[in-house]
Amino acid sequence: KNEVEQSPQNLTAQEGEFITINCSYSVGISALHWLQQHPGGGIVSLFMLSSGKKKHGRLIATINIQEKHSSLHITASHPRDSAVYICAVRGLYSGGGADGLTFGKGTHLIIQP
Amino acid sequence: NAGVTQTPKFQVLKTGQSMTLQCAQDMNHEYMSWYRQDPGMGLRLIHYSVGAGITDQGEVPNGYNVSRSTTEDFPLRLLSAAPSQTSVYFCASSYQLLGQGTSGNTIYFGEGSWLTVV
Repeated sequence: KNEVEQSPQNLTAQEGEFITINCSYSVGISALHWLQQHPGGGIVSLFMLSSGKKKHGRLIATINIQEKHSSLHITASHPRDSAVYICAVRGLYSGGGADGLTFGKGTHLIIQP
Repeated sequence: NAGVTQTPKFQVLKTGQSMTLQCAQDMNHEYMSWYRQDPGMGLRLIHYSVGAGITDQGEVPNGYNVSRSTTEDFPLRLLSAAPSQTSVYFCASSYQLLGQGTSGNTIYFGEGSWLTVV
């Protein structure tokens, strides 16, 4: 079973700061997801990565397959970015069907005005 | 599109009671799954389905049943509720197996169901 570690667990920053959230995993994967969980619980998919880098607005996600590591960056952070950010991975050899994803515990981000 | 609709949002049960969490998606997704989220832990897979009539167990299936009679619906049944099942439950769906496919294979989650068993 893949072990997924996120850091930091909690992060408080000022509006406008550049934010980095890290995700490391222990076993080779076929894909990695970054999710955002809003206060109140709803979960939204931000990115799915299998290599390289993706950008959407102020969000940038990168993955280094060799180092088993991914980062989520937020540029020009804003209070509305306050949420829990969750990393999830699917292994290369995940059973005979769909056995879902392995999730990190999440990074709780607070952006103060 | 409504996306993934999950009900109820909140529920309090007494130990031993049974109930069903409903999940429906209108995106014609083959893959659906149920997760539970507990404090200090990542989301854990309870059951999943790769299509109508096909279900399988995830990481924490004990105490739960599922069925998939249609592509749209994937209800989760608690057979005899226990305090250990107090949790937040999420239903999710995607077009392909989670983690596979092209960059367009987005996961869609329901809004969550807060369940308390007393």
